[in-house]
Amino acid sequence: DAGVTQSPTHLIKTRGQQVTLRCSPISGHKSVSWYQQVLGQGPQFIFQYYEKEERGRGNFPDRFSARQFPNYSSELNVNALLLGDSALYLCASSFPRTGGKETQYFGPGTRLLVL
Amino acid sequence: AQSVTQLGSHVSVSEGALVLLRCNYSSSVPPYLFWYVQYPNQGLQLLLKYTTGATLVKGINGFEAEFKKSETSFHLTKPSAHMSDAAEYFCAVSPPQGAQKLVFGQGTRLTINP
Repeated sequence: DAGVTQSPTHLIKTRGQQVTLRCSPISGHKSVSWYQQVLGQGPQFIFQYYEKEERGRGNFPDRFSARQFPNYSSELNVNALLLGDSALYLCASSFPRTGGKETQYFGPGTRLLVL
Repeated sequence: AQSVTQLGSHVSVSEGALVLLRCNYSSSVPPYLFWYVQYPNQGLQLLLKYTTGATLVKGINGFEAEFKKSETSFHLTKPSAHMSDAAEYFCAVSPPQGAQKLVFGQGTRLTINP
């Protein structure tokens, strides 16, 4: 079975631009979460979506938004990019709706560089 | 609020030696606990997790961790290090209810010396 897939793998943008990152969960998984991993740090939670609804949001500005589609894939959008948005963006999928017990399976990430 | 502290951003051991990576957490309620490994230019792979039950948890690749509530710790160990264990290791906690939000530590880079 395919794991979590993300696209693109790498991306270069300039300050002020907008970016859209995509994620396809493992087949049968209904929950998708997004994390930002700045170089040298642990991942930080951005969003969780389940059944197309936002179930959790981390401490990120409104420039960050996301959505989940009927097929459970997801997009993360970042507007008005800043240099500090340069990071590895990780998507994780899991089966249940809420609760931290279930394993989150991570994709390989999208590496975003903002110049 | 939950938080995770990993003691030692870099750990270096010899091949065949004991691996010990330390993790302490802070949480108002008993959390779920995880260890993930990240190889260069890759995503995160789950090594093991503790939710309930037995406090000694065995994971993949010979790793294990013990949940010690009194010490709020969840240290990761492996009896004998292998060159392929060289990677970044992250300890994480998750609340038992609400959003599936993993809170990660800063990570520990493990280097294996031949």
